Order: sequence, then C-alpha cells, then structure tokens
Amino acid sequence: NAGVTQTPKFQVLKTGQSMTLQCAQDMNHEYMSWYRQDPGMGLRLIHYSVGAGITDQGEVPNGYNVSRSTTEDFPLRLLSAAPSQTSVYFCASSSRKGAGEQFFGPGTRLTVL
Amino acid sequence: KNEVEQSPQNLTAQEGEFITINCSYSVGISALHWLQQHPGGGIVSLFMLSSGKKKHGRLIATINIQEKHSSLHITASHPRDSAVYICAVRSGTDKLIFGTGTRLQVFP
Repeated sequence: NAGVTQTPKFQVLKTGQSMTLQCAQDMNHEYMSWYRQDPGMGLRLIHYSVGAGITDQGEVPNGYNVSRSTTEDFPLRLLSAAPSQTSVYFCASSSRKGAGEQFFGPGTRLTVL
Repeated sequence: KNEVEQSPQNLTAQEGEFITINCSYSVGISALHWLQQHPGGGIVSLFMLSSGKKKHGRLIATINIQEKHSSLHITASHPRDSAVYICAVRSGTDKLIFGTGTRLQVFP
C-alpha cells in the first residue's frame, strides 16, 4: 500500500493564480481531510469528507474548494491564491470520522508571492 | 487560550535521557492522539488512547481523563528521536484539535 500520497511536494504561485493540490489514499478509508500547518499554530482543518459525494467545511475553509467523486481521491482547489495561503498542506485519512488512527500524506509546501 | 496546550515547547536532551512531554486539554474528548513529525515534514501516528496507558518500544503514552492530561515518555532517548511531537484530541463533535507541538532535539 502507498498509504496517502500528495502532489506536488512544492509549489510557488503568484497572487490570483489557481491550482489543485492532489491527495489520494489506497486504504479504502471513508474519512479524508485537509489541514494547513503554519508556524506557531497547530494543524487547522480546512475541509473534510466522510465519504464519496459528501464534503463539509472545517475551521478555515475560505478560499478553498474540495470535491470527493471517488473514495480514493480528495483534491483541494485554491480558487485565487493569496499570500495568506502560504503554508504547508497535509491531507489525512482514517477509517472512521476522526476516530481511527490518522494517516497523513507527506505534505505540500505552498508559497504564494 | 488554546484548547490543547503542550509543554515544553522546546526540549533538548542527551542521548540516553528519559524524556517527558505533556499535553493538557480543556474540552471533553473521546480520544487523544500522539503524532510525530520529522524534520522532513512527514507526520506519523504514534498512539491513540482514551484511557490508561499504551507502550510501543521505548515510547509510553498515558492519559488521565479526570485531570484532562496526557504524557508521552521516551525512555533511553536517541538522536533519531529528534522530531516535533504533536498532541491532538478528538472532541465531542468528532473534530480533531491539535496542539502546537513540542520540538525535541537529542544530542549524542
């Protein structure tokens, strides 16, 4: 099993550009989530999904969109990048909503100029 | 005040020392996670516990639900234990709330 994979590992964007961060898992997990990690702060939940076709907002959803068309994939879209979105982004999955062991992807380091 | 507080924020140790990292929380929880983040950035789950104590190799995690406190112990520390250790709690709404982490450096 590859576990949770994320692409790209690094990305630099200009303000106003859009892009999609990819996340995939091969463990047949129902629950997937996106977090951002900023210096001096704990991981913060952006969006999550409890199954294919179902998504919901987390703590800091503004400026991001998600979709869950399959169990495996959970892409995160930045609609119009802003410098405040400079962060490290982690995708995670678990077999039950927040309840099971969390499996994290390797992270994407995003810089918005 | 953060709902999950970790102490210390930074910790240095000599190889072989016994290490304790503390986590206090202020919300009702159904489970607590300890995670490890290496300098490369990847995050791995160490423990998930809702009561008592768990042990895995040189790592021991304990939780006291009444006192809303958990500790992560590392026995016979080694330089490869150098990492950021993160405490996260699962709240009553099933949301995970993360602490800001404890940065541990173990020197040979």
